[in-house]
Amino acid sequence: EVQLVESGGGLVQPGRSLRLSCAASGFTFDDYAMHWVRQAPGKGLEWVSGISWNSGSIGYADSVKGRFTISRDNAKNSLYLQMNSLRAEDTALYYCSAAAGPDDAFDIWGQGTMVTVSS
Amino acid sequence: SYELTQPLSVSVALGQTARITCGGNNIGSKNVHWYQQKPGQAPVLVIYRDSNRPSGIPERFSGSNSGNTATLTISRAQAGDEADYYCQVWDSSTAVVFGGGTKLTVL
Repeated sequence: EVQLVESGGGLVQPGRSLRLSCAASGFTFDDYAMHWVRQAPGKGLEWVSGISWNSGSIGYADSVKGRFTISRDNAKNSLYLQMNSLRAEDTALYYCSAAAGPDDAFDIWGQGTMVTVSS
Repeated sequence: SYELTQPLSVSVALGQTARITCGGNNIGSKNVHWYQQKPGQAPVLVIYRDSNRPSGIPERFSGSNSGNTATLTISRAQAGDEADYYCQVWDSSTAVVFGGGTKLTVL
């Protein structure tokens, strides 16, 4: 079964850090570019960051640039998001998603992990 | 930065055809993807590269893209089609862009 499972979310104070993980199974992980997409409560989808299959190309939304770092470990079939200097506006459900290429659709999605930034 | 504009809501009578638009500057030159998201669930890809359906998506779902507007068309709408729908493109300056989403109501 093709699957993405996120973990690492939780309640964190403003200014603190959190690391999200995404475990992939059921498909060839290193054939895919991987992305993080978030959704604030009651809001739409917002792309956060993406990484190519070999980590050679990385991009960030302006809203997280300089604070978040995406990485992957193909040997472990895993994707990560290191989130530093968290703000209240980072509160959202964070989805891990896979796309076959840089301009391809996100055809595999996880169920998400919730991050709440609050004092 | 590149922006995509969707109507906040679209209503359709049961069994009729719903059309959800996605506006963007010269969007016809880009590949548009569409996602369906039901409450409490992750998004699901329903159309990729303007008009292609992934396996398992009913033929009732179709897409088109030209000029400044892409359109998702849902024929013979069913109650189970009620969901939020998002368009998405890749842009060289903004990377991945999602539309604001459209809530489809089946009456």
